[in-house]
This record gives sequence, structure tokens and C-alpha cells, in this order.
Amino acid sequence: QKEVEQNSGPLSVPEGAIASLNCTYSDRGSQSFFWYRQYSGKSPELIMFIYSNGDKEDGRFTAQLNKASQYVSLLIRDSQPSDSATYLCAVNVMRFGAGTRLTVKP
Amino acid sequence: DAGVIQSPRHEVTEMGQEVTLRCKPISGHDYLFWYRQTMMRGLELLIYFNNNVPIDDSGMPEDRFSAKMPNASFSTLKIQPSEPRDSAVYFCASSLTFGANEKLFFGSGTQLSVL
Repeated sequence: QKEVEQNSGPLSVPEGAIASLNCTYSDRGSQSFFWYRQYSGKSPELIMFIYSNGDKEDGRFTAQLNKASQYVSLLIRDSQPSDSATYLCAVNVMRFGAGTRLTVKP
Repeated sequence: DAGVIQSPRHEVTEMGQEVTLRCKPISGHDYLFWYRQTMMRGLELLIYFNNNVPIDDSGMPEDRFSAKMPNASFSTLKIQPSEPRDSAVYFCASSLTFGANEKLFFGSGTQLSVL
């Protein structure tokens, strides 16, 4: 079992829809969780972090954490074509998921 | 600040040659990380430093890989001898803190191709 698992996608949503990205992790003692966005040929950039159970909102982005289920998600509301990228889930800085490729179609 | 600076951006070399990748972290950041990214394995942490001291090198794949941080503004990742399976994008990243809400700042990466 991989330590951080994500659906590789691709996930395709129409412009204006909600994109839902999911991530599970194996280390129950993990404390901090991150979502990075990576455009093709570019480096990852942090968009959200969360370390308490529940929801955390930042603009169109909402991160959700459920430590009991070892589950982290990222919701992108009102998706835009500029959101098309690969989204990497990370547990601490040590473990990254393989990423989910998101395509937002105009 | 110019951000994390990596060089070279692209490196093409032949199997058996020595490869040196360079990184300049953001000034004031105490933590420096080296990652490798491939399609097959995703983004993997190779090693990280705190205040120029290597803390965890358990991700370094084998003895052919070595990393140094002689001062707070410079780090190198060396592969000797290089092999085709080392072909990947190598990222350097730095951060102020290490804990619950550290934010990694990544460099632009070095695309390494070993022929």
C-alpha cells in the first residue's frame, strides 16, 4: 500500500463546476497535510494546508480533513480553465501522492 | 527575493558521467529539500537539511547519490556515476519552518537526461 494515494485521473469537469480531489494516507500519526498545484513543466506550488479535522476555506478552494478515516480532499468551486493542472497531496513534507490531473473544459 | 534558484535547467549526459545539480535557497530559510520527480514514482524526497546539516537522507536511492550544503546559500546534489534510470526532474525546495504548517518553495527544477 502506498503511503499517500490519489486517483491519477484524469478528472475532467466543465467550467463553473465543482472539482473534487481525494487523497488517503496510511500513517495514522500524520499531523499536517498539503495540497500543491503543478502546471505542466513547472514546479509545485502550495495552495492549501490543513492540520485540524474539518474544513478550511480559502477563496474558491476548500480542504477537508478526516483523520479518523485518514482522508483529505480538495474542493475547487467555480472551476476555471486556469485550474487545469496536476494536484499533489502531501503528508508533511516527506510524502507526496502521485497527483491527480484535472482538466477544466470551457 | 528571487526565490529558490536551481542550475542547470537541463542536463544531458552519458551513462557513467558525473552530474552535479546546484541549488540556492531563499535567504533566511533554514530548511532545504531535494526531491526527484518521475512519471512512475511521482515526487520523492531524497534528503533534507536543517541549518546546513543533513537530517534525513533515507530517500537517497543509493551510494551513487550524495548531497552537500557547505553554507546557508548553496547546496549540491551529485550523481556519480550516472545511469539512465536517474533520468528525472530534480527539484530543490526551501522553507522557513518544519512542522505543522511549513510552506515549501520550489525551484524551477533540473531536467536530467542520462543517455
